[in-house]
Amino acid sequence: GDSVTQKQGQVTLSEDDFLFINCTYSTTTYPTLLWYVQYLGQGPQLLLKVTTANNKGISRGFEATYDKGTTSFHLQKASVQESDSAVYFCALVTSNMGYKLTFGTGTSLLVDP
Amino acid sequence: GPKVLQIPSHQIIDMGQMVTLNCDPVSNHLYFYWYKQILGQQMEFLVNFYNGKVMEKSKLFKDQFSVERPDGSYFTLKIQPTALEDSAVYFCASSLLGETLYFGSGTRLTVL
Repeated sequence: GDSVTQKQGQVTLSEDDFLFINCTYSTTTYPTLLWYVQYLGQGPQLLLKVTTANNKGISRGFEATYDKGTTSFHLQKASVQESDSAVYFCALVTSNMGYKLTFGTGTSLLVDP
Repeated sequence: GPKVLQIPSHQIIDMGQMVTLNCDPVSNHLYFYWYKQILGQQMEFLVNFYNGKVMEKSKLFKDQFSVERPDGSYFTLKIQPTALEDSAVYFCASSLLGETLYFGSGTRLTVL
């Protein structure tokens, strides 16, 4: 079945560090992949989205590239800020009886000032 | 971006009681969803709803759960009766075409 795997449960960085969050997926269809960010006490917010038509998404300094060969959709940012501290979810659009999102387990990012 | 409103933000009820969680989705959206999240963990799909009907529900969507959107107003999740394991944060989401979901801020349900 369709699934998303995030192996990193927690990442701790200092400001201006490089961010890399791993995400791999499994699906039998052409995927639409998304990254959501969830700040404390809020619902998830769409960060970026990638389809097979455009294999790279960029938003707010974050970028993710869809790699069909490795079935990966890693999230990167060159220089993190304290305000980036949040939980990041990788998600896969799946379609059975209508669309839904299948989420990864999330990666909690803590950026020390 | 588009706003999904959830009322109330926190609800505390006794086990066995009925609870209704309300969601005001984005006005022109066509697809509606409920997700469950325990202790800031994974977002787990419960149900999606389109054109007045449940399209798909997960194994977490127990028989005690029901959803409806009467007369195009609030999209509701009703749990009757509630159980201790229903304690979680419930997120409503809506989507225009079904791929990009916009989430509310959630309702924290505490079942005592």
